[in-house]
Amino acid sequence: SQQGEEDPQALSIQEGENATMNCSYKTSINNLQWYRQNSGRGLVHLILIRSNEREKHSGRLRVTLDTSKKSSSLLITASRAADTASYFCAGLGGATNKLIFGTGTLLAVQP
Amino acid sequence: DGGITQSPKYLFRKEGQNVTLSCEQNLNHDAMYWYRQDPGQGLRLIYYSQIVNDFQKGDIAEGYSVSREKKESFPLTVTSAQKNPTAFYLCASSMGQGNTGELFFGEGSRLTVL
Repeated sequence: SQQGEEDPQALSIQEGENATMNCSYKTSINNLQWYRQNSGRGLVHLILIRSNEREKHSGRLRVTLDTSKKSSSLLITASRAADTASYFCAGLGGATNKLIFGTGTLLAVQP
Repeated sequence: DGGITQSPKYLFRKEGQNVTLSCEQNLNHDAMYWYRQDPGQGLRLIYYSQIVNDFQKGDIAEGYSVSREKKESFPLTVTSAQKNPTAFYLCASSMGQGNTGELFFGEGSRLTVL
């Protein structure tokens, strides 16, 4: 399988804490994207980081990318109960130009 | 509002029946995709289309068929040849080749085989 791996598979934290999710991928990429999925709904694009970037911020989100280790992390600061969802990383492959999704991290933020 | 519409949201099917899932977009996107999602397995690509009247198999195309007769529409047929069709199906679109590949998703169709 070409799917990426995400770690942890599930994460439970209290409101106000930070949540960190990690993603590893197997092929070279042009960019890496993070998506959010509420239960039973479609995915929503959160943030994109290009292969020549190391860190990117958007509101309470911080994404890092280490192409030498083929890994990325998503940090959500000051989490809220509304952040409860599954989070997926997806790498845009250089040769195929297709997005390859990771297996996802289920985040539960307790109020 | 621009977006992607999938229908039906829930669908039940008897074994041996074909079913067609609808996906329509008004984003003027060139590329459209179908993914299958099973619990704990993330998303797997079934078929994709970069342009009207052309489509390619993804990683798990067996037992599925698609058509792309109009830019706005990319229906997926789950045939009786699909051994384990019960799943959540997601349609997505993007601007196409040469862009960032950011996907816009519909709300999904949940298929249950009785």
